Amino acid sequence: AQRVTQPEKLLSVFKGAPVELKCNYSYSGSPELFWYVQYSRQRLQLLLRHISRESIKGFTADLNKGETSFHLKKPFAQEEDSAMYYCALIAAGNKLTFGGGTRVLVKP
Amino acid sequence: NAGVTQTPKFQVLKTGQSMTLQCAQDMNHNSMYWYRQDPGMGLRLIYYSASEGTTDKGEVPNGYNVSRLNKREFSLRLESAAPSQTSVYFCASRLTGEYGYTFGSGTRLTVV
Repeated sequence: AQRVTQPEKLLSVFKGAPVELKCNYSYSGSPELFWYVQYSRQRLQLLLRHISRESIKGFTADLNKGETSFHLKKPFAQEEDSAMYYCALIAAGNKLTFGGGTRVLVKP
Repeated sequence: NAGVTQTPKFQVLKTGQSMTLQCAQDMNHNSMYWYRQDPGMGLRLIYYSASEGTTDKGEVPNGYNVSRLNKREFSLRLESAAPSQTSVYFCASRLTGEYGYTFGSGTRLTVV
């Protein structure tokens, strides 16, 4: 069965500092990996997916199959980045499995 | 284009009461999903419907039932609410062949 682990429940950083959200997964095949973001009291939005290898709002994420990781990074955090971030994967059956989430707090 | 619409947005129930959460999408998506969101546990899949006329259990189906009324609508029913079902419920939909899920704005349910 697939599993997604986000070891940090809370990350608190100062504005302008780098931020890295860790995500590890377990799945025997080749999953599709995503990062979703949820701003305060809003619906979940897709932030990134590994297959597109794009940068959104300054965030990037690289899939490391050897370490089974998909960490999310941003070199200079902004206050508007404060949100809940979820790592997720789609495997067999096209069902999205989420990690436990990491709350990011960017302090001024 | 409203996307995925959930009603109600908030609900308080007493233990043992029943209610139905409604979800509708106007994007002609085939698959629809119900998740619950709990602190530290992320979102967990309750039930899903891969296509009209089919439903399947997810990770945490106990205490819930679903109905895929038509292609647009997918409802979640709590027959006898329990405090453990206090959560935020999200509906989502997806077009077959696409990886992107579209989420609704959620229903915050409190069972006292």
